[in-house]
Amino acid sequence: GAGVSQSPSNKVTEKGKDVELRCDPISGHTALYWYRQRLGQGLEFLIYFQGNSAPDKSGLPSDRFSAERTGESVSTLTIQRTQQEDSAVYLCASSEPGLAGVKLYFGPGTRLTVL
Amino acid sequence: GEDVEQSLFLSVREGDSSVINCTYTDSSSTYLYWYKQEPGAGLQLLTYIFSNMDMKQDQRLTVLLNKKDKHLSLRIADTQTGDSAIYFCAPRGNTGKLIFGQGTTLQVKP
Repeated sequence: GAGVSQSPSNKVTEKGKDVELRCDPISGHTALYWYRQRLGQGLEFLIYFQGNSAPDKSGLPSDRFSAERTGESVSTLTIQRTQQEDSAVYLCASSEPGLAGVKLYFGPGTRLTVL
Repeated sequence: GEDVEQSLFLSVREGDSSVINCTYTDSSSTYLYWYKQEPGAGLQLLTYIFSNMDMKQDQRLTVLLNKKDKHLSLRIADTQTGDSAIYFCAPRGNTGKLIFGQGTTLQVKP
């Protein structure tokens, strides 16, 4: 079946512009995560959605970053007024609810380059 | 906040065992995962252990968990050159949030 998809796969933008990154989780997966991976670094937690609960936004690095999720489907990560340090691969993952949600399924990521 | 620490680099000879260590701070961790990332590739789930277990073996992989000390390790037996990659430790808290360590680069010399 279809896995987690992300779009675009690559995005090049100029400093100061806004960008939107999209994640389509696996159907039925109530949990959705966004992570950032800078070149040569580990995964940095950004935000976590779980069903109808309030999202855990504790990892968002600044108020330029925001994320939305419509129900249990698509999520959009928005970065306003991009900076060069925002350049990274942005990864989305989803999992099933409850104990069945042991495994996280990662998307291929969006590579963001800010010039 | 939650913190996960790993050593950055490990070098072993082909055929030796590799042991990658991880310490974490979140005592509410329910599941603890090991992911592998090869150069230019995505994340691959290697194995995981539930917090009420202290050991899990899966072919060449052995995971040891010391919950009291919040210490997790991954042992790879008979390490091969194809095992060269970055290995990430990732405990999952009781809210479901997964926090990753910074990764350990495993270099396997022939």
